[in-house]
Amino acid sequence: DADVTQTPRNRITKTGKRIMLECSQTKGHDRMYWYRQDPGLGLRLIYYSFDVKDINKGEISDGYSVSRQAQAKFSLSLESAIPNQTALYFCATSDFGRTSGRGRDTQYFGPGTRLTVL
Amino acid sequence: GIQVEQSPPDLILQEGANSTLRCNFSDSVNNLQWFHQNPWGQLINLFYIPSGTKQNGRLSATTVATERYSLLYISSSQTTDSGVYFCAVFPSSGAGSYQLTFGKGTKLSVIP
Repeated sequence: DADVTQTPRNRITKTGKRIMLECSQTKGHDRMYWYRQDPGLGLRLIYYSFDVKDINKGEISDGYSVSRQAQAKFSLSLESAIPNQTALYFCATSDFGRTSGRGRDTQYFGPGTRLTVL
Repeated sequence: GIQVEQSPPDLILQEGANSTLRCNFSDSVNNLQWFHQNPWGQLINLFYIPSGTKQNGRLSATTVATERYSLLYISSSQTTDSGVYFCAVFPSSGAGSYQLTFGKGTKLSVIP
């Protein structure tokens, strides 16, 4: 969905480096999420935020941190990247159904960031 | 936490054929969504369907919440339907009730 953008789209880095992945949305949604996808697996939730002051850990938050700089921006950081964090990372948004009318927390995904940690 | 199982894991279809994908979940849910991930990795929301039946073109979905399963039907498949189909749920209660839990997906390949 073009309304949810992620930068960078691809990144190769080395073990121990600090990496930040950024997500921006123009959908006006209050809820934002970070997921990772590994080959053969579904998506797993890293962190989620229901508004700027509400940030929560997901299923696999260890080794990650997040920052909700504004309603429209949600960043994911890897403080010291390790090879098993090599994955496809997705940002998503939802609005609790207020604007879309499609139902609570219908999720809209960004294009993904492919991260490789050597 | 809640378990989400999808079947079959892989499916190969001839163009024009119909298919049914299944999603079973281990606990009650108040939110169920189907997604399509195309070969380029983009995830598209297909349906929000915690119960009942919905149709969108050649795709339709049915969720029987009391029996804890959902079905995604694809009719007259086209090569553009190829990709991975994911089912995802929010549990009705518990610590994970604000976390969308995904199944591992069904990989569909439609051949001309």
